[in-house]
Amino acid sequence: EVVLTQSPATLSLSPGDRATLSCRASQSVETYLAWYQQKPGQAPRLLIHGATNRATGIPDRFSGSGSGTDFTLTISSLEPEDFAVYYCQQRTGGQFSFGPGARVEFK
Amino acid sequence: QVTLKESGPVLVKPTETLTLTCTVSGFSLSTPGMGVTWVRQPPGQALEWLGHIFSNDATFYSTSLRTRLTISKDTSRSRVVLTLTNVDPVDTATYFCARKTRDKDAFDVWGPGTLVTVSS
Repeated sequence: EVVLTQSPATLSLSPGDRATLSCRASQSVETYLAWYQQKPGQAPRLLIHGATNRATGIPDRFSGSGSGTDFTLTISSLEPEDFAVYYCQQRTGGQFSFGPGARVEFK
Repeated sequence: QVTLKESGPVLVKPTETLTLTCTVSGFSLSTPGMGVTWVRQPPGQALEWLGHIFSNDATFYSTSLRTRLTISKDTSRSRVVLTLTNVDPVDTATYFCARKTRDKDAFDVWGPGTLVTVSS
């Protein structure tokens, strides 16, 4: 079973800052890695799939990189609506799993 | 427009069986490679993947829940059903269903979720 860890758990930043979130897998997931954004009381929203591909309608300030076991979600310049919790998710065979989440909060 | 919506009981007693339905629209559950997954989120906690069903009826379950969880579908009624037996208060959570298409190993459209409380 693949375990995902995310760091840091919390990022305290200001609008306009660059956010860098990391996700590490306990074994290689190749590029079967996705990122989601979740706001309170809402369902998660797909941001990135296949490690680097932006989902439909996602602004280009969001970018994903990595392969194997180490992945990064970068938000180039934070907008007020980007303060939320971010989850990574992997697929290995028929099994999926999510990371514990990382919160981007106002500094 | 693609939508998914979860429905089912708000309150379930310990040891009972929880049955939730995900009703989909805007796509077919029989389209090759299409699938629906279930995810839950206890209050204030992280997302937990529960299980998945593909268009060919293949199912996959979380290791921790596979003895209690069953996912099935009724393609003609555009429904996916989750059954969780012998529930416990730790199963209290918001339950989401979400779609996976052939071209992505991710869940691109989600239902709004339904909060289920397990309590006597």
